[in-house]
Amino acid sequence: SYELTQPPSVSVSPGQTARITCSGDALPKQYTYWYQQKPGQAPVLVIYKNTERPSGIPQRFSGSNSGTTVTLTISGVQAEDEADYYCQSTDNSGTVVFGGGTKLTVL
Amino acid sequence: EVQLVESGGGLVQPGRSLRLSCAASGFTFHDYAMHWVRQAPGKGLEWVSGISWNSGTIVYADSVKGRFTISRDNAKTSLYLQVNSLRPEDTAFYYCTRGGSFDYWGQGTLVTVSS
Repeated sequence: SYELTQPPSVSVSPGQTARITCSGDALPKQYTYWYQQKPGQAPVLVIYKNTERPSGIPQRFSGSNSGTTVTLTISGVQAEDEADYYCQSTDNSGTVVFGGGTKLTVL
Repeated sequence: EVQLVESGGGLVQPGRSLRLSCAASGFTFHDYAMHWVRQAPGKGLEWVSGISWNSGTIVYADSVKGRFTISRDNAKTSLYLQVNSLRPEDTAFYYCTRGGSFDYWGQGTLVTVSS
């Protein structure tokens, strides 16, 4: 079955840049979405269609893609950005798949 | 304001059934596909099922195919998930979410499968 691969954890200091990657063979052909989830809360969409940012999401969140890897970048990380981050896409048959999630720790 | 409110979860024995509901408000429900996503306690997100705006296209994850049935009632602006033959590994928070972007989520309803 199709899989999206994320690093289990990323750690950065406040004010630094965090980059969270997501790899999958079908990513060049399918859109990727990113969600932020804080403990005890539902996920929140932070990036859609690879690079678009929903209204209300701070400009420090951005998305990029290169071949089979997409990247969520958080510039000038703040303490409130500490959360789990999930990428999501579809395989070539349209089945939705989530990455395993990345825990972002703000040191 | 977009709102999605799930209900119907609870403690159930293996092999039994539940019907989960998601009441939608604040948007034109019949304009959007809808999905169910679940999350076992302390684990990651797992997509479960999706349904198009007119119920013409329905898809399931392999892990639930043949046991779960998704449906919707556009007149009642509600989404449903009939979950049958429950297994301990189905224990999770079940979220409903909107559209292809999953841009809005409910707060989830907890299903616990245990004897």
